Amino acid sequence: DAKTTQPPSMDCAEGRAANLPCNHSTISGNEYVYWYRQIHSQGPQYIIHGLKNNETNEMASLIITEDRKSSTLILPHATLRDTAVYYCIVRVEAAGNKLTFGGGTRVLVKP
Amino acid sequence: DAGVIQSPRHEVTEMGQEVTLRCKPISGHNSLFWYRQTMMRGLELLIYFNNNVPIDDSGMPEDRFSAKMPNASFSTLKIQPSEPRDSAVYFCASSSSLGNQPQHFGDGTRLSIL
Repeated sequence: DAKTTQPPSMDCAEGRAANLPCNHSTISGNEYVYWYRQIHSQGPQYIIHGLKNNETNEMASLIITEDRKSSTLILPHATLRDTAVYYCIVRVEAAGNKLTFGGGTRVLVKP
Repeated sequence: DAGVIQSPRHEVTEMGQEVTLRCKPISGHNSLFWYRQTMMRGLELLIYFNNNVPIDDSGMPEDRFSAKMPNASFSTLKIQPSEPRDSAVYFCASSSSLGNQPQHFGDGTRLSIL
């Protein structure tokens, strides 16, 4: 699976949109971009995933560049409960669905 | 709906003792994963099963670790004998192996080996 690069940390203001970047310049055509987050003392939580089209669900939006070498996770109205470590993962569609977690971005939502 | 259920939530034991961690996946999921999380190494995949069969155990650190999945609704991760360096949070996750279904994680077992 391709490697991803994320900033180690970022702050955002409560009520504002949080834009989390991820670089995956070596992504191949059959690899999907997944986002998970981990709130303190909990297991990782699935947020969203996509291949090449932008995706939106009740939690977030995923914007993937046309060349697919980077993506942005958008939390439209950050709340204090969104404080967590966010992981961007690239994965091939294959049996087993293995996930390889990197260091992620530690997001602190401030009041 | 019930999520992935892990037990115990916390375990403290002395080195040399056998430790058994338990996981009940989400009903209908046929893939199960065991991960370990430490400050130094982050989240690491230890082993995963498809349809109760171990597929990849290359992440299992050594022979002291073993995992079983006797049926679709139960899995165990055993450490025997345990060592202080095994202290970590152990997560179980499950998913459907069809398409790109996401993994759903339990809340983990926090293991401390004294």
